[in-house]
Amino acid sequence: NAGVTQTPKFQVLKTGQSMTLQCAQDMNHNSMYWYRQDPGMGLRLIYYSASEGTTDKGEVPNGYNVSRLNKREFSLRLESAAPSQTSVYFCASRRWTGELFFGEGSRLTVL
Amino acid sequence: GENVEQHPSTLSVQEGDSAVIKCTYSDSASNYFPWYKQELGKRPQLIIDIRSNVGEKKDQRIAVTLNKTAKHFSLHITETQPEDSAVYFCAAIPETSGSRLTFGEGTQLTVNP
Repeated sequence: NAGVTQTPKFQVLKTGQSMTLQCAQDMNHNSMYWYRQDPGMGLRLIYYSASEGTTDKGEVPNGYNVSRLNKREFSLRLESAAPSQTSVYFCASRRWTGELFFGEGSRLTVL
Repeated sequence: GENVEQHPSTLSVQEGDSAVIKCTYSDSASNYFPWYKQELGKRPQLIIDIRSNVGEKKDQRIAVTLNKTAKHFSLHITETQPEDSAVYFCAAIPETSGSRLTFGEGTQLTVNP
C-alpha cells in the first residue's frame, strides 16, 4: 500500500519547456488534488478532481492543465513553464471521511 | 468559496508552554475542520479534525475547539516539545463545496528548548 505516489521528485526546466507531473493513489479515493507551496508559504489549490471524469479549477489554475486519467491517476501539466512556477507541488487524495493524504512532493525549478 | 484566515503566522514558545492557533471562516455551511502539521521538508499530515456536531476534541496533548456561532476554531497544544516545531495549517470545508479544499496560510510554530 504505497498511498499517494508522485513523480518526478525533482525537476529543472528552462523557461518555455513543458512537463507533466504524475500522481497515482492506491486507496480507491474519489477526490484528488494538486497544490503548490512556495518557500515559506501556504498550500494553494491549483486544480482538483471530485471524481473520475471531472476536474475543477482551484485558487491558482493559470498556466496549468490537469487530466484525471482514471480513478487512480491525476496528472498536472505545465505547457510553457515560467520562473513563477518554481515551487513544490503536492498531490493529494481524499478519504471519504475528509482526510487528505499527500504525496511526498515534487520540487520544480524553472530557470 | 470558503475563506479561511489563520493567526498568528508565526508563534514561538518555550518548551513546556502551551500554544494556540486560531482560524476563522466565512461560510456558515462549513462542517468539517481539519488541522495539518508539516515538518520541514516533509508532506503535510492530518493531526486532528473536528466536525460541526461537536465543540471540542482531544488527542493526548492536542485539542481542537469549535465555535460555530463566532465561526472560529482553534488548535491547542499543551506541554509543547521541540518536535512540535512545524508549520500548522487549518481548513474549513462546507458540505456544499463538493470536494474543493483550501487551507489557511499556515502558522510556523517554534518550540525553544
